[in-house]
Amino acid sequence: DAMVIQNPRYQVTQFGKPVTLSCSQTLNHNVMYWYQQKSSQAPKLLFHYYDKDFNNEADTPDNFQSRRPNTSFCFLDIRSPGLGDAAMYLCATSGLRTSSDEQFFGPGTRLTVL
Amino acid sequence: DAKTTQPNSMESNEEEPVHLPCNHSTISGTDYIHWYRQLPSQGPEYVIHGLTSNVNNRMASLAIAEDRKSSTLILHRATLRDAAVYYCILIRYNDMRFGAGTRLTVKP
Repeated sequence: DAMVIQNPRYQVTQFGKPVTLSCSQTLNHNVMYWYQQKSSQAPKLLFHYYDKDFNNEADTPDNFQSRRPNTSFCFLDIRSPGLGDAAMYLCATSGLRTSSDEQFFGPGTRLTVL
Repeated sequence: DAKTTQPNSMESNEEEPVHLPCNHSTISGTDYIHWYRQLPSQGPEYVIHGLTSNVNNRMASLAIAEDRKSSTLILHRATLRDAAVYYCILIRYNDMRFGAGTRLTVKP
């Protein structure tokens, strides 16, 4: 089945130690998104790629970066994780960047910062 | 961005219909109304979306008010697997900003 895959499902890192989360998709979608979801809160959009075009949300901290080497893969890099960055990180895709297009979400990676 | 208002929580009995309301009084003409749900420990899942007309799919129905300032997600027969947080979201240019959502509890 076509899907959005996130690895690992659980990631533990140390305060200040860079960490990379990965997302892959078999849907051949043009758009890939990263969301942060803290405990008991709604998901918050960090940024998205439309093909190779990177679109950052205005309030996304500089500590968060992203790479998309090809259509299938997208990475979230946290350069110096703080305790406040502990959260579920969700990757999503959509075929087009239109208001009527459905987003497909992966299962998420839960990040713990020690 | 146009905002949505939903009840924090709702309860339903299994096998009964559920009507989840959403207010979006500042909706603009180009905003689509989307509903997603998030089951425990999973990523959000698309449920349904619409612009002006009521919509039906295999999961649910979406009833949109004539003035578009409110909408209702209808689950025709709630099951225990429908227990989740339901998000009503207005989308313009595919930028999705989640509100707090409604936590639906389904009682056997």
